[in-house]
Amino acid sequence: EDQVTQSPEALRLQEGESSSLNCSYTVSGLRGLFWYRQDPGKGPEFLFTLYSAGEEKEKERLKATLTKKESFLHITAPKPEDSATYLCAASRGGSQGNLIFGKGTKLSVKP
Amino acid sequence: SAVISQKPSRDICQRGTSLTIQCQVDSQVTMMFWYRQQPGQSLTLIATANQGSEATYESGFVIDKFPISRPNLTFSTLTVSNMSPEDSSIYLCSATPTLGPSYEQYFGPGTRLTVT
Repeated sequence: EDQVTQSPEALRLQEGESSSLNCSYTVSGLRGLFWYRQDPGKGPEFLFTLYSAGEEKEKERLKATLTKKESFLHITAPKPEDSATYLCAASRGGSQGNLIFGKGTKLSVKP
Repeated sequence: SAVISQKPSRDICQRGTSLTIQCQVDSQVTMMFWYRQQPGQSLTLIATANQGSEATYESGFVIDKFPISRPNLTFSTLTVSNMSPEDSSIYLCSATPTLGPSYEQYFGPGTRLTVT
């Protein structure tokens, strides 16, 4: 069965304390691995798409990487405004709408 | 990217009634989708809204309960019919822009529905 699992469920960091979020996937015919940021009461905000193992993408303090089994979202020197829930999703073969989402990692960054 | 708006942003409805949620995109898009996000859960795809034809529903979701329209390339509606408290959730519209990588999806702000 295709699935996406994120860990940890919650992560509390001090400002400046770098860390990584994990997204493990078992998806047949993976077409893309997506990362979104979701703030309370808002829709998911698109961050990155990764298409093949070894690919890396960066945006400000965030860096996403992809292997054949998992993806990591590295957060370097986080700030309180990075606090949010980070969602991982996989696109599988077939309809472009077949995004499978993980439950997310809730990140809290304390000043 | 695409900017997506939804109406209403939230509503409280009585059991047995229906609610229609509107989704408007600021540019033409190829694909539009409707998701449900229950408290503490993942986003779950309800259906793909096809322009000019019937929506494509995922397993566990049926047209009689969640009728969907997409009359043009920038607008879609989702109706939640004969509601029960189990339908309380956030409903999200998403879209894939015509221009740009074909698998990127952008989301609206969501509609928070509470059924009493």
